Amino acid sequence: QVTMRESGPALVKPTQSLSLTCTFSGFSLTARGTCVGWIRQSPGKALEWIAVIDWEDGKYYNPSLKTRVTIAKDTSKNQVVLKMTNVDPVDTATYYCARNGEGISGYFYFDDWGQGTLVTVSS
Amino acid sequence: SYELTQPPSVSVSPGQTARITCSGDVLPKKYAYWYQQKSGQAPVLVIYEDNKRPSGIPERFSGSNSGTMATLTVKGAQVEDEGDYYCYSTDSSDKQRVFGGGTKLTVL
Repeated sequence: QVTMRESGPALVKPTQSLSLTCTFSGFSLTARGTCVGWIRQSPGKALEWIAVIDWEDGKYYNPSLKTRVTIAKDTSKNQVVLKMTNVDPVDTATYYCARNGEGISGYFYFDDWGQGTLVTVSS
Repeated sequence: SYELTQPPSVSVSPGQTARITCSGDVLPKKYAYWYQQKSGQAPVLVIYEDNKRPSGIPERFSGSNSGTMATLTVKGAQVEDEGDYYCYSTDSSDKQRVFGGGTKLTVL
């Protein structure tokens, strides 16, 4: 059974950096074809893909966030960390981590999601 | 950057067929996926690879992808199907993942 769980600060001040951790179980990020990604959702808004990291340490970022975001994995801890610099109130959102799906296109979509963690950016 | 376009809302009566569209220039070459999100919950995959249903998803959910438009169809929509639906795909390079703007489905 796959589980995904997000953790991190609930409140961050503008211009500060944000670090979020995704802790997962039920699979290994060393397995071929496996990816973990981050998606966020501002209150009342649509889902927005942020970044994804794969088993070979391949990393892909949303172009609109690329200059402020870094994704990394720690396979020994079954964790993926997302770091965002210079946060702004517009970064207030629920942040989800998710594992990719299966099948011929499994690498490209997300299937198992965490419940999300709400991050508020405010002074 | 690549965009997927959805109507903001769709409304049907219980038992009717709801159709939610998603348009994107690269959809002729890429799979479309659909997520359902109910209030306060994480998204759930309801269609993958254009028209496949994950286990546990009712048969009334189906998908298609033709030309630059993908469509999610809910045949015989029920009140419990209310929520936000997001289409999802990748850009031509497969490096960028994209969600549509979401469609609120109302069944009443």
